Amino acid sequence: DAGVIQSPRHEVTEMGQEVTLRCKPISGHNSLFWYRQTMMRGLELLIYFNNNVPIDDSGMPEDRFSAKMPNASFSTLKIQPSEPRDSAVYFCASTRVTGAPFSVKNIQYFGAGTRLSVL
Amino acid sequence: DAKTTQPPSMDCAEGRAANLPCNHSTISGNEYVYWYRQIHSQGPQYIIHGLKNNETNEMASLIITEDRKSSTLILPHATLRDTAVYYCIVRLDSWGKLQFGAGTQVVVTP
Repeated sequence: DAGVIQSPRHEVTEMGQEVTLRCKPISGHNSLFWYRQTMMRGLELLIYFNNNVPIDDSGMPEDRFSAKMPNASFSTLKIQPSEPRDSAVYFCASTRVTGAPFSVKNIQYFGAGTRLSVL
Repeated sequence: DAKTTQPPSMDCAEGRAANLPCNHSTISGNEYVYWYRQIHSQGPQYIIHGLKNNETNEMASLIITEDRKSSTLILPHATLRDTAVYYCIVRLDSWGKLQFGAGTQVVVTP
């Protein structure tokens, strides 16, 4: 398996531009997570999906951020308009969560990340 | 929600065992302890997890105290490639949400 695939690996844009980050989860996984990592705040969970449905988006910083998962094999995180403070590394992760609560294994597999620089 | 406390950094000599402590005094009975690590410029990587019993896999061993208020991750023979930030995490909900803290920066020296 190729693992979680994120694109692009690096993105440099100017303030005010729209930015779209992409993620392809591991085949067969039904949960997908978007994280943001900065020096100041560390690794933060932004939003996560289960069976393509957003479960918790409380970590999304503001209305400029939106995430979609149109199908089981693709998700996007969009920032519009982008601001310099959005500069960070954005990670996508996936896992398989069973119907049973507190299922035994919840190993999240992370992509290599997208390094975003907003000038 | 259970929180974790880890030392900010520690050094380890190559070939020696690295023992990484973690406190999670507010953990509830059905919450698992997970360990991940993040090598520089890479995404976090799963290491091991446990509930009550000690666990071992090809990467590490996890020792959980009887009262479950703390745990120790053991890297039996540290190598230079083990230099990374190590995160101790208590899972928050049945959907799989994980909350990463600051972690422990481990530096393995020759």
